[in-house]
Amino acid sequence: GAVVSQHPSWVICKSGTSVKIECRSLDFQATTMFWYRQFPKQSLMLMATSNEGSKATYEQGVEKDKFLINHASLTLSTLTVTSAHPEDSSFYICSAPGTGDSGANVLTFGAGSRLTVL
Amino acid sequence: AQSVTQLGSHVSVSEGALVLLRCNYSSSVPPYLFWYVQYPNQGLQLLLKYTSAATLVKGINGFEAEFKKSETSFHLTKPSAHMSDAAEYFCAVRSSFGNEKLTFGTGTRLTIIP
Repeated sequence: GAVVSQHPSWVICKSGTSVKIECRSLDFQATTMFWYRQFPKQSLMLMATSNEGSKATYEQGVEKDKFLINHASLTLSTLTVTSAHPEDSSFYICSAPGTGDSGANVLTFGAGSRLTVL
Repeated sequence: AQSVTQLGSHVSVSEGALVLLRCNYSSSVPPYLFWYVQYPNQGLQLLLKYTSAATLVKGINGFEAEFKKSETSFHLTKPSAHMSDAAEYFCAVRSSFGNEKLTFGTGTRLTIIP
């Protein structure tokens, strides 16, 4: 079945530095990928939609300059947290519409990346 | 706009007992509904989905859910709980047409009592 790989799974960085998280669709192509953010014991909040070959679409309240998204190819989307601060510490999860068993564009999720900013 | 409400942020059941996790949705168009499970520090795994076909949907790990339009509900059930079912469960909805963005409920943490 469809597999989405995220890297790194864990990252710790110093405040003020930038961190890049990669999201890859391993056995299928994805023209669209979705980036979610999850705070501890809370639900997933959609941050942005990554579009291959065009600009990402950000949800209301998400800082475009803080969370840079690049959909470099049909199998790779990256999220860069720029000038990270402790409040950016969170669990970031990407997903892509995969070719699920039913063919109903079921979202396949990566395993997530936990960012801790010191 | 679509939304889902999960009643009960925490549910505890004894091993072997019935599992019932509640989800109600709001949608102005026929919805697609999903249940996902999340284990600690992991991403989400699809349990099952409703996409306007059969109203009773069977998923993985013995879970099933029934779409009830009159009640705007999509509750998740499993006849007999297993220790391995302990996890966070999310109900989600998306428009049946348009893009594939999902809106998630707040989640229900399922604890299994030995």
